[in-house]
Amino acid sequence: QQQVKQSPQSLIVQKGGISIINCAYENTAFDYFPWYQQFPGKGPALLIAIRPDVSEKKEGRFTISFNKSAKQFSLHIMDSQPGDSATYFCAATPYSGGGADGLTFGKGTHLIIQP
Amino acid sequence: DAGVIQSPRHEVTEMGQEVTLRCKPISGHNSLFWYRQTMMRGLELLIYFNNNVPIDDSGMPEDRFSAKMPNASFSTLKIQPSEPRDSAVYFCASRFQGNYGYTFGSGTRLTVV
Repeated sequence: QQQVKQSPQSLIVQKGGISIINCAYENTAFDYFPWYQQFPGKGPALLIAIRPDVSEKKEGRFTISFNKSAKQFSLHIMDSQPGDSATYFCAATPYSGGGADGLTFGKGTHLIIQP
Repeated sequence: DAGVIQSPRHEVTEMGQEVTLRCKPISGHNSLFWYRQTMMRGLELLIYFNNNVPIDDSGMPEDRFSAKMPNASFSTLKIQPSEPRDSAVYFCASRFQGNYGYTFGSGTRLTVV
């Protein structure tokens, strides 16, 4: 599997602040870039995703920024809340005419929002 | 919709024993994935199936690992014999092929002592 590099490994943000997590990839065949949120004892859950035909996608307080030339994408959480405290994973997969391939995940970011 | 159902939630076994993990995908989903999660290696794709057929098992770490999908509603991941380094959380995920919306189960936490 091609690698997806994620940083930082852990992040502490004050309530109301902006949380920023970054990812970089190598495989230019990657064509779908989701972010997953995982709470302790639970499986990862899809948070937001982007295709490379757009540079930004926003859903509520969550925004993905995508830089195709740099092969980087990032997650921004605006007005961070204690309930956002979780582990966040970026991922990527190539489009193969049916999305038949599995996801390649970053190593995860443990986010803590301090009240 | 009950989501992806995995069993057992927790498994503790002795080294050398056979372990079987089970997964029931979401009805109508025709792609199924097995992932392993550890602190050191993160989430790793082990194997995936499309329409019950194994497509890529290159992530299976050793011959001790095997997976089957006898029908559209059931899959197993077997480890025989198990070793302490197999201790991890194993996730099953399913998706309708052509749709990027993967749904993960709650995982099986395996401890091999």
